[in-house]
This record gives sequence, structure tokens and C-alpha cells, in this order.
Amino acid sequence: EAEVAQSPRYKITEKSQAVAFWCDPISGHATLYWYRQILGQGPELLVQFQDESVVDDSQLPKDRFSAERLKGVDSTLKIQPAELGDSAMYLCASSLDPGRSYNEQFFGPGTRLTVL
Amino acid sequence: AQSVTQPDIHITVSEGASLELRCNYSYGATPYLFWYVQSPGQGLQLLLKYFSGDTLVQGIKGFEAEFKRSQSSFNLRKPSVHWSDAAEYFCAVHSNTGNQFYFGTGTSLTVIP
Repeated sequence: EAEVAQSPRYKITEKSQAVAFWCDPISGHATLYWYRQILGQGPELLVQFQDESVVDDSQLPKDRFSAERLKGVDSTLKIQPAELGDSAMYLCASSLDPGRSYNEQFFGPGTRLTVL
Repeated sequence: AQSVTQPDIHITVSEGASLELRCNYSYGATPYLFWYVQSPGQGLQLLLKYFSGDTLVQGIKGFEAEFKRSQSSFNLRKPSVHWSDAAEYFCAVHSNTGNQFYFGTGTSLTVIP
């Protein structure tokens, strides 16, 4: 069964360092999402891609966060510099058909980030 | 604006007992509603979804949920809980503009023998 892949699964870093997370969506899925899930809360959308284009990054802290999906397949989310408040689970999800009003989102296992 | 409220942060039930997890939503139109489950250290798995029609929807793992428009609720139920059901459960509403989800804060379920 096809799955969304994410790496690393766990990352510990010191504040002010740079970190990067990778996501490989299910093959053929045009839409890719990055969510941040702070402990005790539900996931919040950071950025949404349609193929290689950003559709929504209104909740992305652009002073320190960046995301790219250069070839419209896999994606990288970067934080530079990391702050203590960035400690969270970062979830990637993908969905199939951009032309429909609803597409089921399939989630990866997430990357657990701890900033010391 | 869309929002989801899960009033129970944590619930403990005995194995074999029935379960109901509460979810209330705020949405301007007919909502698309979902329940996801998240096991420790894992991503989210879809349990069930409601778009329209029959207000009682069946999902995986023996779960069901009932949409009640008058109460703006979409509560999740299971008649007999198994120890493997211990996890975090999230209710979500879908915005049909942009295919975006708005999640509740989750309910943590503990199952005791």
C-alpha cells in the first residue's frame, strides 16, 4: 500500500541551528501539505502545494520557515534559525486530484522536532 | 470562520465498555466532517467521514459517528472498546475551498483492563 514517507522521524537540535525535513508523497498525488502539530493540539496547516506551486502559505512564519517542491514531487521544509517554540511534530500529507472539492488527505508518520 | 471543539481532553474507559467522543463544529455551510486517529509517534489515519445523506456513518475499526445539525455535533462512538484503541482522536471540518482541514485539539483515550 502506498504511503507518504517522511524523514527523519526524530530530530533534536539546538536553538539557532538550521533543520530540514523531507517528505515524499504518494506517487501521483498533486497536492502536498505540511502541518505543524504542537503537543496537545491538533495539526495546523503551514503550507500547501499544488504540483510545484505554493497555493497557501498564509500560516507559514516566513522569517524563518521555507518550503519547496521543486519538481512537484517530494518536498523539503526548512527552519532557520530554529527556536524553542518550534518543538513540535511536523506532518506531511498528500492528496490526489486538484480539480475536486474534496480529496482525502493521506498523512505521513511525521517528524518529531525537539529544540534545546 | 471554521472551527472544531473537542471538549474532552482526556477520557479513560475500561476495555469492553462503550465509548463516545464529543465534537462540535462551527461552519457556515454544510460541513464535511471527519474523525482521525493518531497512535503515539504516528501520523493520522482516517476513521470515517461525513459529506451528506445518512447522518449515521460507519468507519473502520468498528467506529461510527452521528451528524446532528441541530446540535452542530459529530460525535464518535464505539460499542465495545479494545485496548488497541488507545490513541489520540481528532475531529476535523473540511473547507471545500482549497481542500483545507481544521482540526480540533484532540481527545486522548486511555483503555484500562
